[in-house]
Formats: sequence, C-alpha cells, structure tokens
Amino acid sequence: IVMTQSPATVSVSPGDRVTLSCRASQSVNRKLAWYQQKPGQAPRLLIYGASTRATGVPDRFSGSGSGTEFSLTISSLQSEDFGVYHCQQYDGWPTYTFGQGTKLEIK
Amino acid sequence: EVQLVESGGSLVQPGGSLRLSCAASGFSFSRYWMTWIRQAPGKGLEWVANIKEDGGIEHYLDSVEGRFTISRDNAKKSLYLQMNSLTAEDTAVYYCARDYVPDWQGSTWDLWGQGTLVTVSS
Repeated sequence: IVMTQSPATVSVSPGDRVTLSCRASQSVNRKLAWYQQKPGQAPRLLIYGASTRATGVPDRFSGSGSGTEFSLTISSLQSEDFGVYHCQQYDGWPTYTFGQGTKLEIK
Repeated sequence: EVQLVESGGSLVQPGGSLRLSCAASGFSFSRYWMTWIRQAPGKGLEWVANIKEDGGIEHYLDSVEGRFTISRDNAKKSLYLQMNSLTAEDTAVYYCARDYVPDWQGSTWDLWGQGTLVTVSS
C-alpha cells in the first residue's frame, strides 16, 4: 500500500490553522496513524484510528478520514508544532508503510 | 524511566555486516511486539522488521528479507537486528520501537528509541 502526503512542505504562521493530507493507494479503512518528528528526534505518535489522539496529545490536533483519504488538522499552530508529519497505514498487516512526510515550517 | 536505547550503528563497507541492539527499560518488554524502523538521510520512515512477544513470529520488508534477522532476548530486555550483505541503500538511522495495537490487528508505535546511524560506504 503506497501512502502519498501533500503538500511536501507548508509554511505557516503561529496561530494559523493548517490541514495536512494523506492518501492511500487502496482502502486502509480507518487504520491510519500520524506522527510528528522534530529535527534530530524520533517520531512521536499523535493520532491512531484516523482520529483518536494518543496520550498527552493536545486537542488542537485532530484527524479525520477513512478509506483512502485522510487529513490532520492543527487548529492554532504553536511554535512547538513545527517539524515533519508522517502518516502510516496499519491495515496491511503484517507489513506497514509510511508517507514521505510533510514538513511544517515557520513562515 | 520508560525508554528504548539503540546501539551498534557505525560505518561499514558494502557487503559487510552489523548487529544493532536495543535495550528496553521501564516496561514489561516481553509483553510487546517490537519493531525496527529506518530513515534514510532526508527521507521518510520505512518499516523494516517486527517480532512477536515470544520471538516466535518475524516479518520483514521485502528488500531486507534473507539479509536481516530480527531477534530478541526477553530475559535481557533486548531487541536485535543482524544485518548482512549491506548495501548503500541500507544507509539510515535505525529506530527500535514498541508496538501499540489500537484494534485487534495492525501496529502503530508509541515508544521509540533515539536511533542509531548505519552508514554503508567504501
């Protein structure tokens, strides 16, 4: 299953709302996760089941979608939210695939 | 503290071998599937291999099948990745990660190590 994220890079200002997209080459139902990765750090699980926030994730992060189209929305960007966001499908058990990532940078 | 710490990454020549280790602490290691994920420089994440709680089942990315072997020692709370016949395409930061299964099947990863860099070059 090929995962495609868009855009590759997005420039936003603190306080803005931003939506990132992820498309699967075939239906993954709602088995879609999002991760945040900051430079030099490991990824952090944000969302699973397409829309369920992981423990400790602020409610400004929300996920939606099912089938082949998914999105991650950050309602009011904070300075600590900048980094790379990765989507991952886990419907193709026992193998898994990620998107190529979307870089969220400061405008 | 709940953490994973990888080690063993280094510069290796094409065709060479390397063994990565991941030490777990702060949680019941033997109760979790564990996974290796890699990230080539400037690229996205790529799932590499995973292993069942008791070590009885393993799965691999097609491009590493037959060259890499994942294993674990639950008594030592450690995960391993034996990498043979390395090529430049294997150059990446390798992360070990703890599986989190939100539904009855299929994993995400809720705990990651800091990663260890493997560079394959002559």
